[in-house]
Amino acid sequence: QKEVEQNSGPLSVPEGAIASLNCTYSDRVSQSFFWYRQYSGKSPELIMSIYSNGDKEDGRFTAQLNKASQYVSLLIRDSQPSDSATYLCAVGGLTGGGNKLTFGTGTQLKVEL
Amino acid sequence: DAGVIQSPRHEVTEMGQEVTLRCKPISGHDYLFWYRQTMMRGLELLIYFNNNVPIDDSGMPEDRFSAKMPNASFSTLKIQPSEPRDSAVYFCASSFTGGYGYTFGSGTRLTVV
Repeated sequence: QKEVEQNSGPLSVPEGAIASLNCTYSDRVSQSFFWYRQYSGKSPELIMSIYSNGDKEDGRFTAQLNKASQYVSLLIRDSQPSDSATYLCAVGGLTGGGNKLTFGTGTQLKVEL
Repeated sequence: DAGVIQSPRHEVTEMGQEVTLRCKPISGHDYLFWYRQTMMRGLELLIYFNNNVPIDDSGMPEDRFSAKMPNASFSTLKIQPSEPRDSAVYFCASSFTGGYGYTFGSGTRLTVV
């Protein structure tokens, strides 16, 4: 049984700060890693994907992957109140479209003015 | 594209009644996934299809749950008979071969009383 672990939070950061969200996974053969953002009452929205060790940057978001440590993280720079949401880490065994993803239970982020 | 379309948005039913949830995937997507989300368990994969064929239904909790995909543009998830513990948000998502991540529908919030 694949497991994906996240701290449920809430993680509170001041506006303009860097928010750091972490995720660990149990299945060593996992090949693909995703971060989804979910606002309250809404559906998950894909914001980042990463497949190789290292960092991947997209605007204010940076995803970091360390397969040896089975660890994925998401950094949000210059946090804004609109970033307040639950962030879901998802892990898959494949890299294609037919990827059966296992989700963590999410970390709630609160960006305070 | 209108995205993944789910109906109804909300469903309140009495225990023992049959419930049918509907999903229209994004045109051209050949994978369709049904997930259930609760506070306690997060997002759980119930079943997924490839080219209208069920590939993995190991997440379907009981025989009371069934899913069909009669064509590339329509899928149903049926619960018969429904029980209060089935209360959750049910999401449909789709993806395509060569793509990455999923696109989720807006979800159906099911309440069984």
